[in-house]
Amino acid sequence: GEQVEQRPPHLSVREGDSAVIICTYTDPNSYYFFWYKQEPGAGLQLLMKVFSSTEINEGQGFTVLLNKKDKQLSLNLTAAHPGDSAVYFCAVSRTNSAGNKLTFGIGTRVLVRP
Amino acid sequence: GPKVLQIPSHQIIDMGQMVTLNCDPVSNHLYFYWYKQILGQQMEFLVNFYNGKVMEKSKLFKDQFSVERPDGSYFTLKIQPTALEDSAVYFCASSLDWGGAGQNTLYFGAGTRLSVL
Repeated sequence: GEQVEQRPPHLSVREGDSAVIICTYTDPNSYYFFWYKQEPGAGLQLLMKVFSSTEINEGQGFTVLLNKKDKQLSLNLTAAHPGDSAVYFCAVSRTNSAGNKLTFGIGTRVLVRP
Repeated sequence: GPKVLQIPSHQIIDMGQMVTLNCDPVSNHLYFYWYKQILGQQMEFLVNFYNGKVMEKSKLFKDQFSVERPDGSYFTLKIQPTALEDSAVYFCASSLDWGGAGQNTLYFGAGTRLSVL
């Protein structure tokens, strides 16, 4: 079945610096890709969902890149601020995944220092 | 945004006892999910549920597990009896629609940490 490797597990950056999290997946039939953010005591918040037809997606304060050739999905926090401190999860789903069955990465705990 | 509430946030229970984890999904959502995360490991799919029925379950969804949503109330995960290896954080999620995951958003709760002693 699908395997998703996420790295690094921990990331500490200074405010204003960028931070990059990378997920590598194995299933070539993976089609839908997600980044979730979890702040302490809260549920997972969807940051972005990406379809296989798109490669670069920009959100507020971050960029998501999808490299299908290398089966990599990355999240780039640009100009990080303390509010970005959280655990970030990538998740992947197949084209024929009825019922939204997601395979998650292990999570990256990001700490943004003032 | 839409909120999924999970009650309680932490539950401690003796091995062999029954436990029920409660989830209050987003009010107009029709599809419900449980995921399990053992400490230090990835979150893994347990089960999805629609129209009163389990649609799909993983090998982690043991015979001791059951789910239901009686009369549109809480979506529950019951474990009876519990075992030590059931200790984990259980995440509930809901979505408005089904089908290709990219067309839908799963909204997750904050999780219930279950400790089986």
